Amino acid sequence: DAEITQSPRHKIIETGRQVTLACHQTWNHNNMFWYRQDLGHGLRLIHYSYGVHDTNKGEVSDGYSVSRSNTEDLPLTLESAASSQTSVYFCASRGAGTDTEAFFGQGTRLTVV
Amino acid sequence: RKEVEQDPGPFNVPEGATVAFNCTYSNSASQSFFWYRQDCRKEPKLLMSVYSSGNEDGRFTAQLNRASQYISLLIRDSKLSDSATYLCVVNQAGTALIFGKGTTLSVSS
Repeated sequence: DAEITQSPRHKIIETGRQVTLACHQTWNHNNMFWYRQDLGHGLRLIHYSYGVHDTNKGEVSDGYSVSRSNTEDLPLTLESAASSQTSVYFCASRGAGTDTEAFFGQGTRLTVV
Repeated sequence: RKEVEQDPGPFNVPEGATVAFNCTYSNSASQSFFWYRQDCRKEPKLLMSVYSSGNEDGRFTAQLNRASQYISLLIRDSKLSDSATYLCVVNQAGTALIFGKGTTLSVSS
C-alpha cells in the first residue's frame, strides 16, 4: 500500500543547531507540503512543492528551507533552530487537482532547548 | 483576519446528540472545501469533501454556501468515537490546503 512516512518521530535539539526532518511518500504525488501545528494556531503551511525542483514559501517559512530532488522526498531543514520552532511538524502529499485528498505523515515532534 | 475561521469549542455533547460546526473563509476565489478529522496527537485524515449542493455520508452532512463563504458540518446521533478535532479546510489557488484551527468535540456517555 502507498504511504507517507516521516522521520524522526521525535527529536530534541539545541538552539542554533541545524536539523533536517525527512518526508517520504510512495503515492507518486507531485504535490507535497510541510505544516507545523501549535496550540492556538492550528496547522500552518511552511513550504510546499508542486514537483521536482519546485519549492514555494507558505505562511510561516522564515527559518525553514526545503528541496525537492525527486518525486518521493521533501526534506525540511531548520538552518539554525530556535525555541519558537518547537512544534509538531506534519508532511502531506496530494495528487493533481483541487478536490483530491491530502495524505499526512504521522508527524514529527520537535523540541528545541 | 484569518483565512479560515472556526469556533474552537469545545463542544461537549451526550451520545445521540446532534451537533453542528460552522466555518467561514475569507477568499472568495477558494475552489474546494473539506472537513478533516484529527484525533489527539495523530495526523489529520479526510472526513469528507464539501460540495455546493450539500452532501451526506452516513451521520455526517456537509453544506457549502459560496455567497456567504460559509461551510458547515452536521453530525447526527453522536457516538463516543466521534470525539476528535474537526478541521475546516479550504483549497485556494494551486493545491495547498489552508486549515482552520479546528473545533474540538467531546461526546460523553
